[in-house]
Amino acid sequence: GAVVSQHPSRVICKSGTSVKIECRSLDFQATTMFWYRQFPKKSLMLMATSNEGSKATYEQGVEKDKFLINHASLTLSTLTVTSAHPEDSSFYICSARVQGGKNIQYFGAGTRLSVL
Amino acid sequence: KQEVTQIPAALSVPEGENLVLNCSFTDSAIYNLQWFRQDPGKGLTSLLLIQSSQREQTSGRLNASLDKSSGRSTLYIAASQPGDSATYLCAVGTDSWGKLQFGAGTQVVVTP
Repeated sequence: GAVVSQHPSRVICKSGTSVKIECRSLDFQATTMFWYRQFPKKSLMLMATSNEGSKATYEQGVEKDKFLINHASLTLSTLTVTSAHPEDSSFYICSARVQGGKNIQYFGAGTRLSVL
Repeated sequence: KQEVTQIPAALSVPEGENLVLNCSFTDSAIYNLQWFRQDPGKGLTSLLLIQSSQREQTSGRLNASLDKSSGRSTLYIAASQPGDSATYLCAVGTDSWGKLQFGAGTQVVVTP
């Protein structure tokens, strides 16, 4: 099946620093990518929809200046957590929708962010 | 707003038993419904995708049913194995662009 690579898998940073997470579709083109956040033993919460070449669409309650999303190509979307604080610690997962496909999404392995 | 609920939150069964996982949703106007598997600290693996016009999907030991009118889906896993131990997530597709509303998941443990 299609592969979505998410990097890094784990990051530990100091409060106030910015962290960039990459999401790549390795063997298919994805005009749309999604970013989710997951708290322990909780459901995945959609943060934003990332469309190639245009601004991301953020879900209600998600700070777009805090979570910067860039979708510069058909195979790469990035999420930057700016000025990270301990409350931003979470598991972040991306998914990529196959272009022209039957609305099938493939998920990355996730990034565990710990802010000290 | 669409709400997705999964019951039970956790389930433990001996190897060989059949598993029944339930998912309910509040708005029947769905685009599709998917079942995913998530292993600890990992991403999601898609198991089955049911389009809104379909009643069920099958893949190997897995069978998922969909009843839009009652807002329910059930995932059946036949003859469970220890390797089936994972968290199973139900997600409702809310539009044609692929937006998904997830349930909180059912954590399954299959004991040898």
